[in-house]
Amino acid sequence: AQSVSQHNHHVILSEAASLELGCNYSYGGTVNLFWYVQYPGQHLQLLLKYFSGDPLVKGIKGFEAEFIKSKFSFNLRKPSVQWSDTAEYFCAAHTRRDSNYQLIWGAGTKLIIKP
Amino acid sequence: KAGVTQTPRYLIKTRGQQVTLSCSPISGHRSVSWYQQTPGQGLQFLFEYFSETQRNKGNFPGRFSGRQFSNSRSEMNVSTLELGDSALYLCASSLEAGGTYGYTFGSGTRLTVV
Repeated sequence: AQSVSQHNHHVILSEAASLELGCNYSYGGTVNLFWYVQYPGQHLQLLLKYFSGDPLVKGIKGFEAEFIKSKFSFNLRKPSVQWSDTAEYFCAAHTRRDSNYQLIWGAGTKLIIKP
Repeated sequence: KAGVTQTPRYLIKTRGQQVTLSCSPISGHRSVSWYQQTPGQGLQFLFEYFSETQRNKGNFPGRFSGRQFSNSRSEMNVSTLELGDSALYLCASSLEAGGTYGYTFGSGTRLTVV
């Protein structure tokens, strides 16, 4: 079955630390990949997305993600986190075969940044 | 352009009652998807409507139903409420079916069943 795995359910970092959140998907065909973020008390919003082309994609607020096809991974990174990055982060994969499609979500990673 | 609007923001209902939630997508978006979000289960897909037709459905019981109107507004109905239905219900809209290129989410309706 197709799935999206996020390696860590909770991550705690200090401000200015570097961040990498893991995301692996299981699907051999073409995928569109997404990272969404949900700040405390706010709605889910799209952070960045990958469809094709340059495997390194840049999103809002200094986030970036790298698509590594051979590893079925789409890890989210940020060189230096801020307290305001405290949020829950969701990885999602959109897969399509013929007329059937699915958007598969990871379980989410709660990120806490200590000031 | 206005975002995705969900009403009401909060609801408290009693077990056995029914509830209707509303979602107005971004203007021009024809796809509306509904999700249930709970701390234990994360995001669970309920169903998707595109041009008034249900295109996709998740693994929820028949008590959960929805519809979409010609102006793309969508409603979700839950009948015979159970305590376990307490959750944040999210609506997401997109131009194309399936959120192929990304969703825009509403703020959600927080349903509490007592």
